[in-house]
Amino acid sequence: GESVGLHLPTLSVQEGDNSIINCAYSNSASDYFIWYKQESGKGPQFIIDIRSNMDKRQGQRVTVLLNKTVKHLSLQIAATQPGDSAVYFCAENPNLGAGNMLTFGGGTRLMVKP
Amino acid sequence: ETGVTQSPTHLIKTRGQQVTLRCSSQSGHNTVSWYQQALGQGPQFIFQYYREEENGRGNFPPRFSGLQFPNYSSELNVNALELDDSALYLCASSLGQGANEQYFGPGTRLTVT
Repeated sequence: GESVGLHLPTLSVQEGDNSIINCAYSNSASDYFIWYKQESGKGPQFIIDIRSNMDKRQGQRVTVLLNKTVKHLSLQIAATQPGDSAVYFCAENPNLGAGNMLTFGGGTRLMVKP
Repeated sequence: ETGVTQSPTHLIKTRGQQVTLRCSSQSGHNTVSWYQQALGQGPQFIFQYYREEENGRGNFPPRFSGLQFPNYSSELNVNALELDDSALYLCASSLGQGANEQYFGPGTRLTVT
């Protein structure tokens, strides 16, 4: 399959460890945020979302934290598994009146070592 | 699987030609957004259609145009193809105009030579 990201920041973790992927977003007016996982040759897969009136949201094995003061978003993956290896993108809705557009960050490659 | 389908999977075109890409949204979704993803980068918003009307547009020239049909499926048309149009084209479906979960299809890989 194609390579999703050739020169992306890479996070390498041991299987079973927790992973934290960070993202700095650009627009202080953004009111909605999503984390996506993209495997090689596939479209982005929805992981978890959070709205600006929250600072934490938990899913199955994943937690998203939002710090609006410093415009920072993080994705925590508990007990990382080999199947979690992929490129992870954060996306924001900048609330510019352009529909439901999403602005994506540059992505982080997560590599899980068995 | 998201239920969002795209066709074709791959396409090779020559500079100056025109191309049409197709997307079927997830059942129950009435909004389709199109994104362009260059190799090694995150997706970039092209435009969005809600109930057959363009509902927002990113920073793409007018030679990028689209349609949405009554069944909410959508087309992306690109005229006068340029080499830099080579990318993965993704469509995402969602419900309504507001900020909601968007589910992506597998994409169409367009190569312009």
